[in-house]
Amino acid sequence: KQEVTQIPAALSVPEGENLVLNCSFTDSAIYNLQWFRQDPGKGLTSLLLIQSSQREQTSGRLNASLDKSSGRSTLYIAASQPGDSATYLCAVSGRNQGGKLIFGQGTELSVKP
Amino acid sequence: GAGVSQSPRYKVAKRGQDVALRCDPISGHVSLFWYQQALGQGPEFLTYFQNEAQLDKSGLPSDRFFAERPEGSVSTLKIQRTQQEDSAVYLCASSGRLAGYNEQFFGPGTRLTVL
Repeated sequence: KQEVTQIPAALSVPEGENLVLNCSFTDSAIYNLQWFRQDPGKGLTSLLLIQSSQREQTSGRLNASLDKSSGRSTLYIAASQPGDSATYLCAVSGRNQGGKLIFGQGTELSVKP
Repeated sequence: GAGVSQSPRYKVAKRGQDVALRCDPISGHVSLFWYQQALGQGPEFLTYFQNEAQLDKSGLPSDRFFAERPEGSVSTLKIQRTQQEDSAVYLCASSGRLAGYNEQFFGPGTRLTVL
């Protein structure tokens, strides 16, 4: 059974810092991994999608990497801003899961001005 | 439409009441998923449709939960005789033809509170 873990559960940093959010998964037979952002009381906004054949994806100040063999992904945020404050969720879609996403519990990020 | 829409955005129900939650997926998306998100947790899978066929309902927590997508577009999640533990945000997502391989796009969710 696929399990997804995110560390840390919460993170507080001063504005301008670079930071890394971690995601690990137990079953490496995945189609892809998605990183989402969730603002309080809102739905999920997709940030980056990494297919299983890819090693990383970049969008603006965000860079996500994938090491399928070790079951790990990282989301790197450069030059953090207060507007980056949100909960970040990773989710995997696996060959043994019928297409559904299995989510981690999220990392709550606070960027202080 | 431009994105996934859900209605109502907020629903307050008395314990024992029936509720119906609606999801309008992105036009042309054949795959539709329902997830349940408890406070402070990641979303958990409820059920999956490919067109009008419900291919996986393994995540539905009890037989009080029922979902349908009769014409392969709009979907409704119905909860009968609501209980306090049903309080959560219900999220709908849609994706292109190859479910699992393609990116899933989420709606804003319906926040259900059962008193």
